[in-house]
Amino acid sequence: AQSVTQPDIHITVSEGASLELRCNYSYGATPYLFWYVQSPGQGLQLLLKYFSGDTLVQGIKGFEAEFKRSQSSFNLRKPSVHWSDAAEYFCAVTGSGTYKYIFGTGTRLKVLA
Amino acid sequence: EPEVTQTPSHQVTQMGQEVILRCVPISNHLYFYWYRQILGQKVEFLVSFYNNEISEKSEIFDDQFSVERPDGSNFTLKIRSTKLEDSAMYFCASSAQRGANEKLFFGSGTQLSVL
Repeated sequence: AQSVTQPDIHITVSEGASLELRCNYSYGATPYLFWYVQSPGQGLQLLLKYFSGDTLVQGIKGFEAEFKRSQSSFNLRKPSVHWSDAAEYFCAVTGSGTYKYIFGTGTRLKVLA
Repeated sequence: EPEVTQTPSHQVTQMGQEVILRCVPISNHLYFYWYRQILGQKVEFLVSFYNNEISEKSEIFDDQFSVERPDGSNFTLKIRSTKLEDSAMYFCASSAQRGANEKLFFGSGTQLSVL
């Protein structure tokens, strides 16, 4: 079955600390992977995506993610978190030949001052 | 940055009533989508729309649902006879391209409450 798992529902980090949000996927074809962020009252904003090539992708706001095919993972990282990063983060997967994105349940990030 | 606009932001309706959720995608975009998120659950794909027809739909998108692009700018989702379980946040999205340069832009959502 095709699915995305984000094992951490909530994560709390201190401002300036590093961050890693986990994402594991199950997908029968070549996956295209995404991370989206949602701030309260806002739509989902694309942080970064992986289609092919370099498995370490850089995104906006200082985020990066690494695609590891052997682990079926696409974890999101940031070396130093800012208070404005507090939001909900969604991992998603799709593939060629489909318009459908499959989303994880999200990870809510809280940042302590 | 260009935005996808959704109206209304909140909609309350009685069970069995028809609702229309409205979206204005980004003007040069060609691909349009509806997703929904029931409280505490995943964001779920409902339907995609391209070239004035449905290109893909999920099992959720049954005969009670329909989509329309009536005037070249709006993109609507109609639920004919709402059920309690239709209560959710509905997101519209659009993109200019498919494939490697694909980027979905999402609206801020319409919170639908069915009483």
